[in-house]
Amino acid sequence: GAGVSQTPSNKVTEKGKYVELRCDPISGHTALYWYRQSLGQGPEFLIYFQGTGAADDSGLPNDRFFAVRPEGSVSTLKIQRTERGDSAVYLCASSSLGLEGETQYFGPGTRLLVL
Amino acid sequence: AQSVTQLDSHVSVSEGTPVLLRCNYSSSYSPSLFWYVQHPNKGLQLLLKYTSAATLVKGINGFEAEFKKSETSFHLTKPSAHMSDAAEYFCVVSQRGSQGNLIFGKGTKLSVKP
Repeated sequence: GAGVSQTPSNKVTEKGKYVELRCDPISGHTALYWYRQSLGQGPEFLIYFQGTGAADDSGLPNDRFFAVRPEGSVSTLKIQRTERGDSAVYLCASSSLGLEGETQYFGPGTRLLVL
Repeated sequence: AQSVTQLDSHVSVSEGTPVLLRCNYSSSYSPSLFWYVQHPNKGLQLLLKYTSAATLVKGINGFEAEFKKSETSFHLTKPSAHMSDAAEYFCVVSQRGSQGNLIFGKGTKLSVKP
């Protein structure tokens, strides 16, 4: 079956602009996660959705970052007033129930470059 | 708080020789541990996971890892490296609680020489 998909695969924007990154999880998965991977580092947790609600947004770096999942499926990560330091690969993952120890399935990521 | 430390940022082996990627974890309880692999320009793929069942865990592509509580280690091994094993490998611990957030190590880049 289809895995996690993310669009766009690459996004180049200018400092100060607004961007939206989309994630389409595996069908039926209630849990959805966003991570950010900077160059040479492991992914870092940003936000977790259980259904439509953001159950944990403690990893969002500041209030320029926001994410939604209005129908409990597709999620959009939104970044306002982008800064060069936001350049990274943004990864989305989903799992069936969002329990500790469950396998998370990752998408290919969106590579964001802020000029 | 849970954390993982990957002891080597880069490991280089010759094709056909054993692979050892080292990982130590820090946790006040018995954690769920994973190894993920990331090939260039591809998504993260689960190799194997430990969730308090058998301490020796077998994964895909001939990889395995052993959970050693006394050493707080979860090293990844493979008896014979293949060229296709060249990739970045991440040791991962699951955040305690019911939500499953993952905490990644910094990664080990595995190079395989012909």
